[in-house]
Amino acid sequence: RKEVEQDPGPFNVPEGATVAFNCTYSNSASQSFFWYRQDCRKEPKLLMSVYSSGNEDGRFTAQLNRASQYISLLIRDSKLSDSATYLCVVTLKAAGNKLTFGGGTRVLVKP
Amino acid sequence: IAGITQAPTSQILAAGRRMTLRCTQDMRHNAMYWYRQDLGLGLRLIHYSNTAGTTGKGEVPDGYSVSRANTDDFPLTLASAVPSQTSVYFCASSDSFLLPLHFGNGTRLTVT
Repeated sequence: RKEVEQDPGPFNVPEGATVAFNCTYSNSASQSFFWYRQDCRKEPKLLMSVYSSGNEDGRFTAQLNRASQYISLLIRDSKLSDSATYLCVVTLKAAGNKLTFGGGTRVLVKP
Repeated sequence: IAGITQAPTSQILAAGRRMTLRCTQDMRHNAMYWYRQDLGLGLRLIHYSNTAGTTGKGEVPDGYSVSRANTDDFPLTLASAVPSQTSVYFCASSDSFLLPLHFGNGTRLTVT
């Protein structure tokens, strides 16, 4: 089992619709969680951190479920500009420095 | 403008040649990282440095070396390039382990 897993998609989303997807992690000791956005092989950019209580930033809502070991990202009122690959990152303090990326979920918003 | 600068932006390299990818940050971040990104495999950590003077191996370190002589610079060297090292390379930094990464624009390397 991979340490961090994501559905690669693509999720084809009509403009204005809501889309949600998860990222599962295998190590229960994981400490911090983030969602990144990546466009067309450009550099990943931080979208939002994921807090234990859940957090919202405009149309984006991130949640953490420690019991089931996953984080989620929900995008409301999807825009064409939301088309991108969304990467989750899980951090774990262990021997060495451990930040693990998921493989990414591709979202395509269509008119 | 504060951030991370990578050079070159792209490079075509003959197999067997030596190549150093440069990475400089001006945010005074302690930790720096090198990742490679390949289709279907996502981002994989090559080497990292928690602070100046220290380095560590990531998931795919073979064929690569790094140094961290100061806080700002973290060059990645391919001693003898092979075609399997064709990839997009991203340098990243963070102020501390648990804080999010800031990425450079990437270097697209093709080894022929």
